Amino acid sequence: EVQLVESGGGLVQPGGSLRLSCAASGFTFSSYAMSWVRQTPGKGLEWVSVISASGDITYYPDSVRGRFTISRDSSRNTLYLQMNSLRAEDTAIYYCVKTLTTYWNDAFDVWGQGTMVTVSS
Amino acid sequence: EIVMTQSPATLSVSPGERATLSCRASQSVSNNLAWYQQKPGQAPRLLISGASTRATGIPARFSGSGSGTEFTLTISSLQSEDFAVYYCQHYNNWPRTFGQGTKVEIK
Repeated sequence: EVQLVESGGGLVQPGGSLRLSCAASGFTFSSYAMSWVRQTPGKGLEWVSVISASGDITYYPDSVRGRFTISRDSSRNTLYLQMNSLRAEDTAIYYCVKTLTTYWNDAFDVWGQGTMVTVSS
Repeated sequence: EIVMTQSPATLSVSPGERATLSCRASQSVSNNLAWYQQKPGQAPRLLISGASTRATGIPARFSGSGSGTEFTLTISSLQSEDFAVYYCQHYNNWPRTFGQGTKVEIK
């Protein structure tokens, strides 16, 4: 069974840092681009980062560029999201997602259960 | 950034009826368009990719159409388990963006 399990969420003060992890299983992790997508009641679904299968290419939207860093460890089948300089507007459920095919221009076919990040003093 | 606009925001439909959801892109995304279903407390689930290809295990009552900037998701005969929020998303370039969602509720 293909599965993604996120961890690392929690309560953090504005300006603080947090690292999310996503443990992947049931597929060849090193063959697929992976992304993080977040969801808030107010802004809906927002894609926040992608990393290529090989790990050498990453993209971010303007809202998190320079503050968030996506990385992967294929030896551990694990995806990471390092979040620095956190703001109240980063409060959301963060989902780890897998790309449908090994071609990274594709839909997201597997989603984790999500981990909640709350940025508040 | 490509803006995805969904309509209507809420669709009230009786079980067994057809539901038609729309998604418009602010510029062409070719057929690089996906639809997702989300139920309360759950993660989104992929329904359609490539604008019209059903994902594995998705019933045939779900169909997608369109290309360029105009897309449609049709649910031919609504079942009780189909009442949920539906999102469209493009993957034509970066950043990927989602529509704001259409809630399909019981009439």
